[in-house]
Amino acid sequence: DAGVIQSPRHEVTEMGQEVTLRCKPISGHDYLFWYRQTMMRGLELLIYFNNNVPIDDSGMPEDRFSAKMPNASFSTLKIQPSEPRDSAVYFCASSLGRFYNSPLHFGNGTRLTVT
Amino acid sequence: AQKITQTQPGMFVQEKEAVTLDCTYDTSDQSYGLFWYKQPSSGEMIFLIYQGSYDEQNATEGRYSLNFQKARKSANLVISASQLGDSAMYFCAMRGLTTGTASKLTFGTGTRLQVTL
Repeated sequence: DAGVIQSPRHEVTEMGQEVTLRCKPISGHDYLFWYRQTMMRGLELLIYFNNNVPIDDSGMPEDRFSAKMPNASFSTLKIQPSEPRDSAVYFCASSLGRFYNSPLHFGNGTRLTVT
Repeated sequence: AQKITQTQPGMFVQEKEAVTLDCTYDTSDQSYGLFWYKQPSSGEMIFLIYQGSYDEQNATEGRYSLNFQKARKSANLVISASQLGDSAMYFCAMRGLTTGTASKLTFGTGTRLQVTL
């Protein structure tokens, strides 16, 4: 079975540019999560969706960040305009159900560098 | 609120030896799940093992086992017969049941394991 697929694997952009990260969850999974990983802050939950509907975006750092899930098989995380402090690894993950016995399955991540 | 604490920033183990990575947790949920993930230097997050709060037996998956002590709120990962490929960062994580904790996976800060010859 295909796992969570993220693209691109690496993104290097200049400050002020728009960045779009993409994610395809595991087929049939109804929860999708966006996490950010940095050395300073570890793994942080940015936003998650249930059945394509955003449930909790309290982790989104500021209005420059937005996420959408137009259908069950695709989600995007957009940063506009990007800043050097946005440099991090961004993970997408999906799970079947919200219950405590459902593991999250992660994509390989997108390493974003903003210069 | 949930909290995961991993007090060992780094560990060394010799190849073929067993190693225990510590994890303690705090939660007000009665039902919860504990997970361990491996993150090799290539960066991906790999799900290793799960333990439910009501499971009476410790979880095992191949060379991985989870030493679950509910009263002490600990969920230590034991890796038997370490291999060079086990060198990675290991994260303990928790998922609860109540609104606000059920959907999210809360992570610890991780332990970097280095397997030596």
